[in-house]
Amino acid sequence: DTGVSQNPRHKITKRGQNVTFRCDPISEHNRLYWYRQTLGQGPEFLTYFQNEAQLEKSRLLSDRFSAERPKGSFSTLEIQRTEQGDSAMYLCASSPGLAGGPYEQYFGPGTRLTVT
Amino acid sequence: KNQVEQSPQSLIILEGKNCTLQCNYTVSPFSNLRWYKQDTGRGPVSLTIMTFSENTKSNGRYTATLDADTKQSSLHITASQLSDSASYICVVTIQGAQKLVFGQGTRLTINP
Repeated sequence: DTGVSQNPRHKITKRGQNVTFRCDPISEHNRLYWYRQTLGQGPEFLTYFQNEAQLEKSRLLSDRFSAERPKGSFSTLEIQRTEQGDSAMYLCASSPGLAGGPYEQYFGPGTRLTVT
Repeated sequence: KNQVEQSPQSLIILEGKNCTLQCNYTVSPFSNLRWYKQDTGRGPVSLTIMTFSENTKSNGRYTATLDADTKQSSLHITASQLSDSASYICVVTIQGAQKLVFGQGTRLTINP
């Protein structure tokens, strides 16, 4: 399977714990995006990377959230001191990032986080 | 404020029938508009993508229209199948920006 993959698919954690999610984009895709989706709503943009550089962060990304893409390939999203309001589906997407466009974003299956 | 509004919020139709989903947006400056299909518990999958100059685009039984003057789009599904049951999300890209502005989606249920 050469699509976007995310791990784990499901995570249940207690409030106050730290969690880390991983996203493996489609090979050679330059751009990688993180989104958060709550039940019955569309995804909301969190942040995006061009190669290893984090170029934009949403105001939704509080200081408890941190994302990295150290080698410009896979990315991790860490949430520290989780709160019940963090419960959501966390989606990752990647795109070729070619000049011009419009370019397609390919989404992974998501990581479902439940904070108890 | 950049927003995308979809209607109806949910829709139930019988298998074989047609339906049309609506999307209104206030995103500016506009770059392109996409329709995604999202099955429960899965990531969204792109159906169509249209730029400012495109009025209609088809993908099999899915046909999307775009009126950039009124800032409206529609997704028409012909001869619906049970597998069409999903959420359909309208997404608009801001020109020059990398993030997508998502609508809240229309939950479509096809009954046999």
